[in-house]
Amino acid sequence: SQKIEQNSEALNIQEGKTATLTCNYTNYSPAYLQWYRQDPGRGPVFLLLIRENEKEKRKERLKVTFDTTLKQSLFHITASQPADSATYLCALRYNQGGKLIFGQGTELSVKP
Amino acid sequence: DADVTQTPRNRITKTGKRIMLECSQTKGHDRMYWYRQDPGLGLRLIYYSFDVKDINKGEISDGYSVSRQAQAKFSLSLESAIPNQTALYFCATSEGKSGGIKETQYFGPGTRLLVL
Repeated sequence: SQKIEQNSEALNIQEGKTATLTCNYTNYSPAYLQWYRQDPGRGPVFLLLIRENEKEKRKERLKVTFDTTLKQSLFHITASQPADSATYLCALRYNQGGKLIFGQGTELSVKP
Repeated sequence: DADVTQTPRNRITKTGKRIMLECSQTKGHDRMYWYRQDPGLGLRLIYYSFDVKDINKGEISDGYSVSRQAQAKFSLSLESAIPNQTALYFCATSEGKSGGIKETQYFGPGTRLLVL
């Protein structure tokens, strides 16, 4: 079965630095990949989507890359702020089934 | 997201009891989902429904059942609750059409369930 792996250890960075989170998957490539943000005690909120034929997507301070050769997506937050502290989930959608498969998430902590 | 509501928000129950978690949405979406979230395991799909007449099992459906009463309502039942069903439960919705951004999922605030 398909597996998704995100950094299990929390990522701690200083305010103003760029945070980079990793999402790796096994087997075949998904049709697209999404990134969500989850705050404690709340449901995930959609941030960005990138398709398998796209290498990079940007939205304000956020950037997502998708490398089907490495089977990896990277999620970058530039000029990070304490308000960016949250857990970030990647989710993959394959052509069959119509379901999203979520990674376990990586907790990001941005210190002032 | 106020467009997707879940009740109750918190629930404590005893082993063997039957309980129901309810989800309502005002987004007009056809597709609805139930997930559970456990520390270190991420979101796991319990059941999903692509329309009122279409209900499918997810990866961890044992011990759960669902009912899609209307386009806007999707309920999750634990027939006989057990302690390892203690978790955070989320309902989510997405549009009925396939393809990229339309499959973005919108999550409710979650129900925290404790089974003693």
